[in-house]
Amino acid sequence: EDKVVQSPLSLVVHEGDTVTLNCSYEVTNFRSLLWYKQEKKAPTFLFMLTSSGIEKKSGRLSSILDKKELFSILNITATQTGDSAIYLCAVAGTASKLTFGTGTRLQVTL
Amino acid sequence: DVKVTQSSRYLVKRTGEKVFLECVQDMDHENMFWYRQDPGLGLRLIYFSYDVKMKEKGDIPEGYSVSREKKERFSLILESASTNQTSMYLCASSPWGGWGQGEYGYTFGSGTRLTVV
Repeated sequence: EDKVVQSPLSLVVHEGDTVTLNCSYEVTNFRSLLWYKQEKKAPTFLFMLTSSGIEKKSGRLSSILDKKELFSILNITATQTGDSAIYLCAVAGTASKLTFGTGTRLQVTL
Repeated sequence: DVKVTQSSRYLVKRTGEKVFLECVQDMDHENMFWYRQDPGLGLRLIYFSYDVKMKEKGDIPEGYSVSREKKERFSLILESASTNQTSMYLCASSPWGGWGQGEYGYTFGSGTRLTVV
């Protein structure tokens, strides 16, 4: 059975801090790892990672995958209150089915 | 703008009622999924479908059934709602084969928050 574990479960930081969110996985026939951000409604796509060691970057967010150690990290630099959300990690194994972790709830305070 | 639309944002039902949650996508996607999301448990897959009239059980199908009579519509049915089915329900879709260049995994609906009393 595919499995995704995210840590920490929740995190409170001050605006301007840098945070690192972790995601480890066990999956049969790994295809890709995805990160989503969920505020009040539907999760929105952040990154898709398929190759080890290649950093994906979007503004203050970046992510990297280690397929040997079976984990990924999501970094957010210079955090803002608008970054407060649940961050979801998911892996795609067999076919198109995604297995999600429990998510990390990030709260950024002033 | 492509969309996955869930018919209700909030729903309150009584124990024992039959409940229908509707999901419609306008992207001509083959794959559709129903998840429920609970605090501390993340998103758990209930059912998914790769094609019209086709369905597969996910990780927690007990107490649920689904219907996919048309490609764009995937319905989740709670035959006899119970209080432990109080949850946020998320529908998602994706193209056949998952995703390739330019594709981004799932597209999610906005969710239906179901309360069973």
